[in-house]
Amino acid sequence: EVQLVESGGASVQPGRSLRLSCAASGFTFDDHGMHWVRQAPGKGLEWVSGISWSSGTIAYADSVKGRFTISRDNAKNSLYLQMNSLRPEDTAFYYCAKDIRVALSGMVDYWGHGTLVTVSS
Amino acid sequence: QSALTQPASVSASPGQSITISCTGGSSDVGSYNLVSWYQQHPGKAPKLLIYEDNKRPSGVSNRFSGSKSGNTASLAISGLQTEDEANYYCCSYAGSDTYVVFGGGTKLTVL
Repeated sequence: EVQLVESGGASVQPGRSLRLSCAASGFTFDDHGMHWVRQAPGKGLEWVSGISWSSGTIAYADSVKGRFTISRDNAKNSLYLQMNSLRPEDTAFYYCAKDIRVALSGMVDYWGHGTLVTVSS
Repeated sequence: QSALTQPASVSASPGQSITISCTGGSSDVGSYNLVSWYQQHPGKAPKLLIYEDNKRPSGVSNRFSGSKSGNTASLAISGLQTEDEANYYCCSYAGSDTYVVFGGGTKLTVL
């Protein structure tokens, strides 16, 4: 059974940093691209960042470029999102998501349950 | 990175059929056969319904179908059931600059 379990969400002040983690199991992790997708409370889905199976392709939404860094450790079946210079508009549930392909196609067949990041003074 | 355009809401009665549109452009929906659709119930993670424009994952009801014409993709749901009441999102690959764009979401109400 595929499982994606996010952790690291917290309530922080603007300008601070946070690191999210996603532990993956039930599939061959290095056969798939991975994504972070966020959803502000009561709002729609917003793609944040993606990383291909080998980390050879890394991409970010304009809204987080230069502040967030995605990475993966295939030996540990883990995905990460380092979030720096956090802003109130970054407040959202952050979902770890598995691409159906090795590259970044945007087509996600499994999602975690999400971890909440709240940025407020 | 402009979001894909979906109607904010649709409503219908049980047993009826509906279609949700998703309009993009020539740099995303119109250029790649990589549109996907997701169903999300309140408080739950999204669920994949359609991938590669019109393919259904195993376990997804054949009441859900996807299609595309030009820059507009569509999700059709037939024989509406009360459990279909949810939010629906389209998503498209958008090339190696933008990569992934979502629609704003459509709230389906089954009256």
